[in-house]
Amino acid sequence: GQQVMQIPQYQHVQEGEDFTTYCNSSTTLSNIQWYKQRPGGHPVFLIQLVKSGEVKKQKRLTFQFGEAKKNSSLHITATQTTDVGTYFCAGSSGSARQLTFGSGTQLTVLP
Amino acid sequence: DARVTQTPRDKVTEMGQEVTMRCQPILGHNTVFWYRQTMMQGLELLAYFRNRAPLDDSGMPKDRFSAEMPDATLATLKIQPSEPRDSAVYFCASGLTYLRALQETQYFGPGTRLLVL
Repeated sequence: GQQVMQIPQYQHVQEGEDFTTYCNSSTTLSNIQWYKQRPGGHPVFLIQLVKSGEVKKQKRLTFQFGEAKKNSSLHITATQTTDVGTYFCAGSSGSARQLTFGSGTQLTVLP
Repeated sequence: DARVTQTPRDKVTEMGQEVTMRCQPILGHNTVFWYRQTMMQGLELLAYFRNRAPLDDSGMPKDRFSAEMPDATLATLKIQPSEPRDSAVYFCASGLTYLRALQETQYFGPGTRLLVL
């Protein structure tokens, strides 16, 4: 079955530093979504990428979808304490409509 | 501000007891997902429904878990009998699927935190 791997599992950064999490799929994806889960909270949708090589930005967050549609990344510029949480990628492929979630990257931002 | 609601928010029960978790999807959404989250396994899809019909429940232990949608405003997940290894946070998510859309956005509920002693 489809597997989605995410690295790193944990990341500690000083406030103001940049942060990147990477997502790799064992199969070609139709699309990829990114979610953020605050400690004690629930996953919240951030963005969806559909096209090969697509890049989208949301303020300090930059999302990329690989040319082969098998990998993706989320980059946060100048992290803030409000960025703390776990970031999940989730992909679907073929005719499957369910998402396979990566294991997540837990981000800690030190003030 | 439309939200997915889940009840109960927390549940502590003893091994062998029946547990029922309920979810009210966002009004108008036609797809409902059940996930289980643990530290070890992360987010696992248990089952999902479209227009109240079960489409995939391959992630669900069939012998003790069951998921239903008695109507468009209610989804239930039951565990009978419960076991300590079922302890986890159970999330319900809903979405609106269009025929040609690749993937709907999923809106998660706050979750039910289950502890089976």
